Amino acid sequence: ILNVEQSPQSLHVQEGDSTNFTCSFPSSNFYALHWYRWETAKSPEALFVMTLNGDEKKKGRISATLNTKEGYSYLYIKGSQPEDSATYLCASKRGSSNTGKLIFGQGTTLQVKP
Amino acid sequence: DAEITQSPRHKITETGRQVTLACHQTWNHNNMFWYRQDLGHGLRLIHYSYGVQDTNKGEVSDGYSVSRSNTEDLPLTLESAASSQTSVYFCASNGGRDTEAFFGQGTRLTVV
Repeated sequence: ILNVEQSPQSLHVQEGDSTNFTCSFPSSNFYALHWYRWETAKSPEALFVMTLNGDEKKKGRISATLNTKEGYSYLYIKGSQPEDSATYLCASKRGSSNTGKLIFGQGTTLQVKP
Repeated sequence: DAEITQSPRHKITETGRQVTLACHQTWNHNNMFWYRQDLGHGLRLIHYSYGVQDTNKGEVSDGYSVSRSNTEDLPLTLESAASSQTSVYFCASNGGRDTEAFFGQGTRLTVV
């Protein structure tokens, strides 16, 4: 694939549910995969930057995995809380370490109901 | 604390006018980017720069230009504003390597 694609586009879950989203990206010339959390009326904020195949990163209840050979990453949220409601963006960086533009997917919008 | 700021936060302009959106960062980052956010499209890359005097076109660059005369600033100019350019614009910067990008607060531009 040439574009960065995220699924699902939106997700509604109940508080306490665990959930996961997918990011598909070009596997050729891969350099890094970024995940961002974007709350309404705010700016995107970084969650993870992942570079190595098989990488797993964790921040609290949120974790992510990376498969660079097949070009996908999963973001997991364990025990979703209403404050997790946001749009989650992934971005692919290809090329060299000091340059390389960030190309974003359309995002997955998560709504957690109390 | 280092930061990245955009101005103005909101702008209404008329079709055909030239408009410049400012982006200023104090991270001392070489890489700076301009994106536009539209429903159903996420963030689309307009222009980007890897350093002073360097500028590159992104996926949706038609009708936009940028210049990079110093490390801190990457102003985005709409040469002749069109209604299709009504959008929210985000500026971002990062230090290269495997570091995260930092975003400005966004500029909501309405072209009437």
